[in-house]
Amino acid sequence: AQSVSQHNHHVILSEAASLELGCNYSYGGTVNLFWYVQYPGQHLQLLLKYFSGDPLVKGIKGFEAEFIKSKFSFNLRKPSVQWSDTAEYFCAVSTSGTYKYIFGTGTRLKVLA
Amino acid sequence: NAGVTQTPKFQVLKTGQSMTLQCAQDMNHEYMSWYRQDPGMGLRLIHYSVGAGITDQGEVPNGYNVSRSTTEDFPLRLLSAAPSQTSVYFCASSYRPGSNEQYFGPGTRLTVT
Repeated sequence: AQSVSQHNHHVILSEAASLELGCNYSYGGTVNLFWYVQYPGQHLQLLLKYFSGDPLVKGIKGFEAEFIKSKFSFNLRKPSVQWSDTAEYFCAVSTSGTYKYIFGTGTRLKVLA
Repeated sequence: NAGVTQTPKFQVLKTGQSMTLQCAQDMNHEYMSWYRQDPGMGLRLIHYSVGAGITDQGEVPNGYNVSRSTTEDFPLRLLSAAPSQTSVYFCASSYRPGSNEQYFGPGTRLTVT
């Protein structure tokens, strides 16, 4: 069965620190990859997505992610976080031919001002 | 466009009661889905639909029913509420299943006492 692992459950950073959140998936076929963000009290919003092509994907608010097929990974990065990035971040995978999106358990990021 | 709407925002039920969570989208999306979000467990798929008249089970379907009589609406029914169904429920939709980003509703916070 497909699964998505986010190993960092809670991350605390100071403003201007660099961020990298890990995401690994288990599926050997073609995948579509997503990162969503959920700000406190709000619904999930798409940060970025990868379907094909350049494995380095740029999203909104300065976030980017790199798809490394050999490592089954899709890590999220931001060079310099802001207090407003405090949120929960979810990695998700969907596969060609299925109708299911599988989410990771999420990473809670707290950025200290 | 209103996007994905959900009602109610909050609900308290007693064990054994039934209720329907409403979800509607005005983007003419084929795919709609219901998730529950619990602390430390991320989002888990309850049921999904790839078009009017077509529904299928996700990871955690027990205790829930769905139907899809129109493209726009995808209600989730709790047949006999249990405390284990206390959660935040999100409805989502996408243009095509699996290969597009999902748009999420604002969520329904359900408490079962």
